[in-house]
Amino acid sequence: GENVEQHPSTLSVQEGDSAVIKCTYSDSASNYFPWYKQELGKRPQLIIDIRSNVGEKKDQRIAVTLNKTAKHFSLHITETQPEDSAVYFCAATVNTGNQFYFGTGTSLTVIP
Amino acid sequence: DAGVIQSPRHEVTEMGQEVTLRCKPISGHNSLFWYRQTMMRGLELLIYFNNNVPIDDSGMPEDRFSAKMPNASFSTLKIQPSEPRDSAVYFCASSLQGAKNIQYFGAGTRLSVL
Repeated sequence: GENVEQHPSTLSVQEGDSAVIKCTYSDSASNYFPWYKQELGKRPQLIIDIRSNVGEKKDQRIAVTLNKTAKHFSLHITETQPEDSAVYFCAATVNTGNQFYFGTGTSLTVIP
Repeated sequence: DAGVIQSPRHEVTEMGQEVTLRCKPISGHNSLFWYRQTMMRGLELLIYFNNNVPIDDSGMPEDRFSAKMPNASFSTLKIQPSEPRDSAVYFCASSLQGAKNIQYFGAGTRLSVL
């Protein structure tokens, strides 16, 4: 089955700096890569996703990049704010398979 | 739509007792997932259903765990008997298979087994 690895497990940045979280996957058939944000005590919520036919996608301060050849994808958060502090999960899946394979999560702390 | 609804939000029980967690998926979704989240093990998939049929239950830790989906709008996760190590947050999520495949999570049930 698919194996998703996520790094780093914890990340601290100063407010206004950028944060990058990286994930690798093992199954070349995976073609959909969502990112979830989980604030303390809350549910995971989708913040951005990318499909395998796209190399990069942006949504305001958040961007995701995908390298299919290397089987890795990354989340980039620019101009970080304290409200970006949360645990971020990457995932990979094959559309038809439906099951998400989640990474182990990155705890991001933005220091004011 | 109210989203995925889970009940109860919090459950405190004693070791050996039966625990039943409930989930109502988003109307029209045909896939439902049960996850367990702990600090040590992160987010683990326990079981998922497509069109009310269990597809993969390899994540269910032991025979003490069972899940059912009697219809498209309701699912239960049962632990019998419960043990302290079952203490965790249990999330239910639903999605529409074949579409954009986004999983929407419920608010979770925080289970404490004393």
